[in-house]
Amino acid sequence: EVQLVESGGGLVKPGGSLRLSCAASGFTFSTYIFNWVRQAPGKGLEWVSSIGTLIRNTYYAHSVKGRFIISRDNAKNSLYLQMNSLIAEDTAIYYCARQDEEGFDIWGPGTMVSVSS
Amino acid sequence: QSVLTQPPSASGTPGQRVTISCSGSSPNIGSHNVCWYQHLPGASPKLLLYRNDQRPSGVPDRFSGSKSGTSASLAISGLRSEDEADYYCAAWDDSLSGRLFGGGTKLTVL
Repeated sequence: EVQLVESGGGLVKPGGSLRLSCAASGFTFSTYIFNWVRQAPGKGLEWVSSIGTLIRNTYYAHSVKGRFIISRDNAKNSLYLQMNSLIAEDTAIYYCARQDEEGFDIWGPGTMVSVSS
Repeated sequence: QSVLTQPPSASGTPGQRVTISCSGSSPNIGSHNVCWYQHLPGASPKLLLYRNDQRPSGVPDRFSGSKSGTSASLAISGLRSEDEADYYCAAWDDSLSGRLFGGGTKLTVL
């Protein structure tokens, strides 16, 4: 079965760090672009970051640039998001999503990140 | 405030046809294809359309899309109660070097 499963969410204090993981299975991980997308409580979807099949091709939303780092380990079929200097506005459900034909065709169930003192 | 503008809400009765608009600009919709996503409460978003009007396998042909210039639209015909969800358009933006989502449209089936 083709699936993505996120992990690593939780409660963290402002200024803290968290590392999200996304485990992929059922397809050839290395051949796809991946993205992180978040949804803050009561808000819409917000694209966070993407990483190409060539690991050096990374992109970030302005709201997280300089604080978040996206990475992937093709040998482990895993995607990561290192989140530093977290602020309250980063509180959201974080989804990893596979990109195919320009659309995000496979999504994980999401992991909740709460930033609060 | 999203650079892709959608109406916050839309509604229709079962069997009706509903359209949802997505207005952008030259660096995004004007230069790139649009995707549409359906987000049901408590579930993960689902890809409805890619490349403006292409349906992934399994998406009913009741869902259709179009794009003209810097705007796109999603049409849902034969509206059903299970279509009640939030709908988002998305496109790459050259000026931001990032992907944009519209603000989302909450569809209510009356």
